[in-house]
Amino acid sequence: DTAVSQTPKYLVTQMGNDKSIKCEQNLGHDTMYWYKQDSKKFLKIMFSYNNKELIINETVPNRFSPKSPDKAHLNLHINSLELGDSAVYFCASSQGGLAVQETQYFGPGTRLLVL
Amino acid sequence: KNEVEQSPQNLTAQEGEFITINCSYSVGISALHWLQQHPGGGIVSLFMLSSGKKKHGRLIATINIQEKHSSLHITASHPRDSAVYICAAEYGNKLVFGAGTILRVKS
Repeated sequence: DTAVSQTPKYLVTQMGNDKSIKCEQNLGHDTMYWYKQDSKKFLKIMFSYNNKELIINETVPNRFSPKSPDKAHLNLHINSLELGDSAVYFCASSQGGLAVQETQYFGPGTRLLVL
Repeated sequence: KNEVEQSPQNLTAQEGEFITINCSYSVGISALHWLQQHPGGGIVSLFMLSSGKKKHGRLIATINIQEKHSSLHITASHPRDSAVYICAAEYGNKLVFGAGTILRVKS
């Protein structure tokens, strides 16, 4: 069974479009995250949610809106896609809430290419 | 500013060699994570440590709190160890990542 799954794996779209990436974890974890990995392979946190509540919101354009319908799901919606949004987006989860020192489990990544 | 520095950026080794990857960070971390990103892109958590040393198979991670430094060691390296190794410092409730070390082990 896949612990953290993301769909789609690949997403190619035109500038200006709106797209969503879905993430689900079946680990019973309380906290979920979205990370962006740029073309230089540098990872950076975008958002984290704990039990459906937003905990971390880094300096991310308003075009990015996370939605957590329940604690097993954290979706990422992106409006008006721009060329610079092309990246790999990773979802992750960890057991704890605001507790620190938790191992994070990563999804396989969604490769987004904006043309 | 919370920063994480990794070295080296690139590392090529012969099969069987002992490998060390270094990570330094600024004050105030609650834990230090080592991650492995496979050539296919998947990311796996290798270690999380806040003090001392942890070992898993041929991998060893150490951390020196006073020197704000952590190392990841691979003993008897093998071509299947080829991957990107990323350290990440946990500040509060978020991870700040290093730029990664690209390791290639040749047979």
